Amino acid sequence: AQKVTQAQTEISVVEKEDVTLDCVYETRDTTYYLFWYKQPPSGELVFLIRRNSFDEQNEISGRYSWNFQKSTSSFNFTITASQVVDSAVYFCAFRPRGATNKLIFGTGTLLAVQP
Amino acid sequence: DTEVTQTPKHLVMGMTNKKSLKCEQHMGHRAMYWYKQKAKKPPELMFVYSYEKLSINESVPSRFSPECPNSSLLNLHLHALQPEDSALYLCASSQERSGNSYEQYFGPGTRLTVT
Repeated sequence: AQKVTQAQTEISVVEKEDVTLDCVYETRDTTYYLFWYKQPPSGELVFLIRRNSFDEQNEISGRYSWNFQKSTSSFNFTITASQVVDSAVYFCAFRPRGATNKLIFGTGTLLAVQP
Repeated sequence: DTEVTQTPKHLVMGMTNKKSLKCEQHMGHRAMYWYKQKAKKPPELMFVYSYEKLSINESVPSRFSPECPNSSLLNLHLHALQPEDSALYLCASSQERSGNSYEQYFGPGTRLTVT
């Protein structure tokens, strides 16, 4: 079965702290895609990153960075020097390669950044 | 421009009403999606349209009826809903090419309350 686990239900940090959101996935596929989305209180899901299974390079975008490790089936997301505007629910999602367009979402991690 | 628009933003309807949710994108995407999201849960896929044809129906009750009039528009017709159908309804779109996976871009959602 294919599954995405975000074990951290809620995380609370103080502004300027670094925080890592964990994502672990299960699959027997060799080709697949991983995503992170941010959902602020307004409700819209904002796309952050897509990673293909054959590309294990880590990625940095400003204060955001992603660590993809196939060996541990993890795709963790780190926010450096967190800000209040980072407060949101973050979803990790998985999609196997194939004809369907179905994303498998994790249960989400609620990040609260306190001023 | 990675914008998906949805109208209305909020909708309150009685169980005997008929209403429609609308979604529009101008990114040239050929896949469009409807999701339902309950509070503190990840989005659940309802329908997928690929090249204006319904490709996935996740066993959604017939009181929800999707329609894709053209490649830019997606509607969700609602009839005889139940209070448990109250949720945030999200529309999304993505590129479509067989064997590849592209990120989905989401609209701001319609908050539906069924009374």
